[in-house]
Amino acid sequence: RKEVEQDPGPFNVPEGATVAFNCTYSNSASQSFFWYRQDCRKEPKLLMSVYSSGNEDGRFTAQLNRASQYISLLIRDSKLSDSATYLCVVRGTGNQFYFGTGTSLTVIP
Amino acid sequence: EADIYQTPRYLVIGTGKKITLECSQTMGHDKMYWYQQDPGMELHLIHYSYGVNSTEKGDLSSESTVSRIRTEHFPLTLESARPSHTSQYLCASSEYRAITYEQYFGPGTRLTVT
Repeated sequence: RKEVEQDPGPFNVPEGATVAFNCTYSNSASQSFFWYRQDCRKEPKLLMSVYSSGNEDGRFTAQLNRASQYISLLIRDSKLSDSATYLCVVRGTGNQFYFGTGTSLTVIP
Repeated sequence: EADIYQTPRYLVIGTGKKITLECSQTMGHDKMYWYQQDPGMELHLIHYSYGVNSTEKGDLSSESTVSRIRTEHFPLTLESARPSHTSQYLCASSEYRAITYEQYFGPGTRLTVT
């Protein structure tokens, strides 16, 4: 079983739409949780860490459900520039980071 | 945010050659990582290091080696390049920020073995 599982999409949404991505992780002892953004042929860039109480950064909201081992990312008022692949990342107990395969988002004019 | 540098950015090389991919970071981070990523696929951990003289193997390490003689430098060596090594190689380092370790990536080396 993979450490981190994501729906690969693709998600094609119109500008201004709200879109949500989900992710599950297998190790209940996982320590930290993140969403990264990766543009085509570029390196992943940290979008936001995910805290137990949930957190928001502008149009982006991340939620963590430890009981269900589930992480989510909500993007409101989608912009063309949000088009990218979104990676769910989990840090294990040994300081290794585990990456999902990513969810592809295309925002359409 | 960390400043992480990788060289070369692109490399085309013949089968059987020995190559070293360079990675440096200027933020003094103890933890550094090498990942391999094929197009459209997830990142796979090759090697990681928790500090000077500390290196550990990841999932795909059997055909490469690393060294960590200085905190800022974490080179990856392929002793004999093969076409199956064609991929993107990403170096990362991590630091403790707020309440967790966050990981930052270099721009990557795109390797083609002919």
